[in-house]
Amino acid sequence: GAVVSQHPSWVICKSGTSVKIECRSLDFQATTMFWYRQFPKQSLMLMATSNEGSKATYEQGVEKDKFLINHASLTLSTLTVTSAHPEDSSFYICSASDGPRDTQYFGPGTRLTVL
Amino acid sequence: GESVGLHLPTLSVQEGDNSIINCAYSNSASDYFIWYKQESGKGPQFIIDIRSNMDKRQGQRVTVLLNKTVKHLSLQIAATQPGDSAVYFCAEGPYGKLTFGQGTILTVHP
Repeated sequence: GAVVSQHPSWVICKSGTSVKIECRSLDFQATTMFWYRQFPKQSLMLMATSNEGSKATYEQGVEKDKFLINHASLTLSTLTVTSAHPEDSSFYICSASDGPRDTQYFGPGTRLTVL
Repeated sequence: GESVGLHLPTLSVQEGDNSIINCAYSNSASDYFIWYKQESGKGPQFIIDIRSNMDKRQGQRVTVLLNKTVKHLSLQIAATQPGDSAVYFCAEGPYGKLTFGQGTILTVHP
C-alpha cells in the first residue's frame, strides 16, 4: 500500500517553456501533498504544501507564480514550472499523506532538464 | 537544518555486518522523526519512524534510536546486504513539515 506515482519520470525542455508534473496517490486518498526539489548530492528541500481544494502554501524563497501547484482531487496534485530556465533543472519529488499526522510517502521523482 | 555542501558522510561495510547511521537534529521541539532510503535516481523510500515519546523502535532488520537529550537519532541495520546500499536521510517533523538531514551514503561490499 501507500504507493505514489509521478509522471513524467524525466523531461527535457527548452528554456522559456512550461512543464507540468503530475503526482498521484494510487491506493489511498491524499489530503495533503508536498513538493520537494533536490539538487545533485544534496538533500530534499520542501517547496510547497498543498491540501485538496485549497491554495498551496509555499516555503520562503519559492516563487508561487513560477511553480504553480494544483491539488484538484484527493489523488492528484500537479506542479507546473512556468517559463523554465536552466537553473530550474533539478529532481522534483512529491509526497503524499492521508492525514495531517500521517507518514509521507514519496513518489519516484521527476528529472527536469532545461536546455 | 538544511543540507549544504557536496560531500556527504559515507559508511562502508561488509555484507553481513551491522550498520549504524547517525543523525543530529536541530529542533528540540520536533516530535516526529523518520528515516528514508534513497537509491540513485529514485524517490525516498520510507524505512521506519519514531515519535518523541519513544526512545527505540524496531522494524524488520532495522532499529531506530532516539536520544532527545543530545538531539541524536540513529538507524541500525542488521545483517547489511548489498541491496541496502543507498543514501539514507533522517528527517524531523512535525508531520506536515519535515526537515531533511544531509544524508549518509551507505556502501555494502559483498
